[in-house]
Amino acid sequence: GEKVEQHESTLSVREGDSAVINCTYTDTASSYFPWYKQEAGKSLHFVIDIRSNVDRKQSQRLTVLLDKKAKRFSLHITATQPEDSAIYFCAAYDSGYNKLTFGKGTVLLVSP
Amino acid sequence: NAGVIQTPRHKVTGKGQEATLWCEPISGHSAVFWYRQTIVQGLEFLTYFRNQAPIDDSGMPKERFSAQMPNQSHSTLKIQSTQPQDSAVYLCASSLQDRGDSDYTFGSGTRLLVI
Repeated sequence: GEKVEQHESTLSVREGDSAVINCTYTDTASSYFPWYKQEAGKSLHFVIDIRSNVDRKQSQRLTVLLDKKAKRFSLHITATQPEDSAIYFCAAYDSGYNKLTFGKGTVLLVSP
Repeated sequence: NAGVIQTPRHKVTGKGQEATLWCEPISGHSAVFWYRQTIVQGLEFLTYFRNQAPIDDSGMPKERFSAQMPNQSHSTLKIQSTQPQDSAVYLCASSLQDRGDSDYTFGSGTRLLVI
């Protein structure tokens, strides 16, 4: 089955700086890559996704890049704000089991 | 739309007791997923149902954990003879589409503490 590795376990940035979280996957057939955010004491909620027919998708301050050749995708957050502080999870579609496989999560800390 | 509803929010059980966790998916969502989250292990997949049928339980500890989805409106996760290592936040999620390549809506979770 699919395996997703999330490379940064923690990431600290200053408010206003950019943050990048990187993930790799193993299943060449994966075609869908969503990202989720978990704020302190809360559950996960969907923030942005990308499908394999494009290599870039932007939504306000969030951009997802997909490199299918390297089996790598990344979340870029520009002009970070303290409210961006959270755990971010990447996921990839496991075509074998018809479900998402999640990474371990990255703790993003944005300091004022 | 109340989202995915999980009850109870918190549960404390004594070692060896049984715990039953409930999940009510969003109406019309065809897939229901169960995950376990701990600081050490992160987010672990347990099991999932599609159109009420069990599809993949590869993440379930086989001996003490079981899950059911008797109807479209709820799923249960039962842990028999709970152990301290079962302490975790148990998350339920549901998804609209029949295919797995769509986003999930997560519930608020049940925080289980086994003492």
